Amino acid sequence: TQLLEQSPQFLSIQEGENLTVYCNSSSVFSSLQWYRQEPGEGPVLLVTVVTGGEVKKLKRLTFQFGDARKDSSLHITAAQPGDTGLYLCAGARAGGTSYGKLTFGQGTILTVHP
Amino acid sequence: GAGVSQSPSNKVTEKGKDVELRCDPISGHTALYWYRQRLGQGLEFLIYFQGNSAPDKSGLPSDRFSAERTGESVSTLTIQRTQQEDSAVYLCASSLVGFQPQHFGDGTRLSIL
Repeated sequence: TQLLEQSPQFLSIQEGENLTVYCNSSSVFSSLQWYRQEPGEGPVLLVTVVTGGEVKKLKRLTFQFGDARKDSSLHITAAQPGDTGLYLCAGARAGGTSYGKLTFGQGTILTVHP
Repeated sequence: GAGVSQSPSNKVTEKGKDVELRCDPISGHTALYWYRQRLGQGLEFLIYFQGNSAPDKSGLPSDRFSAERTGESVSTLTIQRTQQEDSAVYLCASSLVGFQPQHFGDGTRLSIL
């Protein structure tokens, strides 16, 4: 069974602070996705990273895929209350019986206080 | 609409009753997934349909859970003889093909009394 360990599980910060969420596994993934979910809604895809060492930026969000494609991080600069939500990482493996399936981390609940 | 549609949005039922949850995927998406999400938790994979292939049922927690999909359209998730531990949000997602980014519905919040 593949596991994606996300940390921290909870994060409560003040507006303007920076933060990093980590997603780690002992398994290699062909790609990794980050989702954000707000209460009462389904997760919404933020980014997909596919190449080891890849870095993608989305405004104040920076996503990195580890060189070995086993881990990823999400860094938010100058967090705002609108960033509040549940952040989920999900890994995909290509081929075999796992084709098409995503393994989700347990999520990080981020609360940004004004 | 253009997104994944799930119904009902909320369902409250008594322990022991059967429930049926519905998912309308995005038109043209061949892959469809069901997940279970407990409060404040990540997503627990239940079942995956890809085109006409046999579904991957490896995540179904017990034989009380089953799902069907008609072609590449609507899917229903059925839970028989519901238990209180079945209370959760059930999310459906679809993608163009397996392995592609998934588009989620807003889920069905199931509460078992």
